[in-house]
Amino acid sequence: GQNIDQPTEMTATEGAIVQINCTYQTSGFNGLFWYQQHAGEAPTFLSYNVLDGLEEKGRFSSFLSRSKGYSYLLLKELQMKDSASYLCAVKTNAGKSTFGDGTTLTVKP
Amino acid sequence: DSGVTQTPKHLITATGQRVTLRCSPRSGDLSVYWYQQSLDQGLQFLIQYYNGEERAKGNILERFSAQQFPDLHSELNLSSLELGDSALYFCASSNDMNTEAFFGQGTRLTVV
Repeated sequence: GQNIDQPTEMTATEGAIVQINCTYQTSGFNGLFWYQQHAGEAPTFLSYNVLDGLEEKGRFSSFLSRSKGYSYLLLKELQMKDSASYLCAVKTNAGKSTFGDGTTLTVKP
Repeated sequence: DSGVTQTPKHLITATGQRVTLRCSPRSGDLSVYWYQQSLDQGLQFLIQYYNGEERAKGNILERFSAQQFPDLHSELNLSSLELGDSALYFCASSNDMNTEAFFGQGTRLTVV
């Protein structure tokens, strides 16, 4: 089966940097996604990692270590609108997706 | 707008009833995924279809079923509804099994 762990809540200050960690255990790993979800809304895609290393996209970066079953999402220059839930999701070769329960990030002034 | 359309947006029904949720994927996307999100909980993967065929199955209850039609739209059927089935049901689509998925706005189901 698959198991994904993320911190439940995090708080950070506007303008700061925050790192949201995700650890996973799975067989047939095919890729790891990060999504952002505002309350009551649909998740929106942030990043996709299939190889080890860091993927940078504007203020957001995502890192993957397949050997360690570990990923993180790095958010820089935090803005109030970044307050949301951040979901880590793992996809297997069979196409099955498993989402973590999400990390609720609160950005304070 | 993700390009994925779900109907209805809201649905209120009684226990024991059956409902059908509909999803139209983005143009050109062959994969459709269904997810359930209960209040304050994470997304739970239910099932995936690829070009009309079931490709992956999650923790989908036997009371639930889905299908993808030749025009690639999909329907999720929920029967013998229970109070605990109240949740947001999301549909997502992608153009390949391994790429990002785009989510619809969801159907909020309330079972009373």
